[in-house]
Amino acid sequence: DTGVSQDPRHKITKRGQNVTFRCDPISEHNRLYWYRQTLGQGPEFLTYFQNEAQLEKSRLLSDRFSAERPKGSFSTLEIQRTEQGDSAMYLCASSLPSGGLAGDAVWFFGPGTRLTVL
Amino acid sequence: QKEVEQDPGPLSVPEGAIVSLNCTYSNSAFQYFMWYRQYSRKGPELLMYTYSSGNKEDGRFTAQVDKSSKYISLFIRDSQPSDSATYLCATYSGNTPLVFGKGTRLSVIA
Repeated sequence: DTGVSQDPRHKITKRGQNVTFRCDPISEHNRLYWYRQTLGQGPEFLTYFQNEAQLEKSRLLSDRFSAERPKGSFSTLEIQRTEQGDSAMYLCASSLPSGGLAGDAVWFFGPGTRLTVL
Repeated sequence: QKEVEQDPGPLSVPEGAIVSLNCTYSNSAFQYFMWYRQYSRKGPELLMYTYSSGNKEDGRFTAQVDKSSKYISLFIRDSQPSDSATYLCATYSGNTPLVFGKGTRLSVIA
């Protein structure tokens, strides 16, 4: 499978617990993005990496959230002390910018990790 | 005002109908325009993308961008029940994260 993969697909946790999600981008893609999507809403940007560098973080990303992309390959998103408001679908996407050409528009999303906080 | 506005629907049409889905955006710096299709509890799937203004056609799907009015459209001809999904418009400038509309839920009734 050469698409973006995410693990786990579903996670149920109790409030206050820590959770970690993993994303494996398409292998040659150097940009990796995390988004969050709640029911009835479009995906909202959380953060993105170019290679191993985290270049931008949204105001949505509170200090309970941390993301890493060691060695510029897979990425992890950790949520500490989960709250019920964290329940959402967490989406990962990757792209390979090509210097301003139309190919920059090609972002591929993974299947998402659905988090339920009880 | 949100950067991308999209009527969430739901929109229900009979099989074979022409479907028109629309978005407006506010940032004139946006250069890339995409449509994603999302089935229930799945990740968004890239359907079509365009760069700058103009039309792009792919089978039964046509994407249009009018930068002068900041208007994005997706037309689906001969709609099928398998087209039933949520359609998300998205846009960005190339140096900013992708910004999505809320999505329009489409049902095509056989």
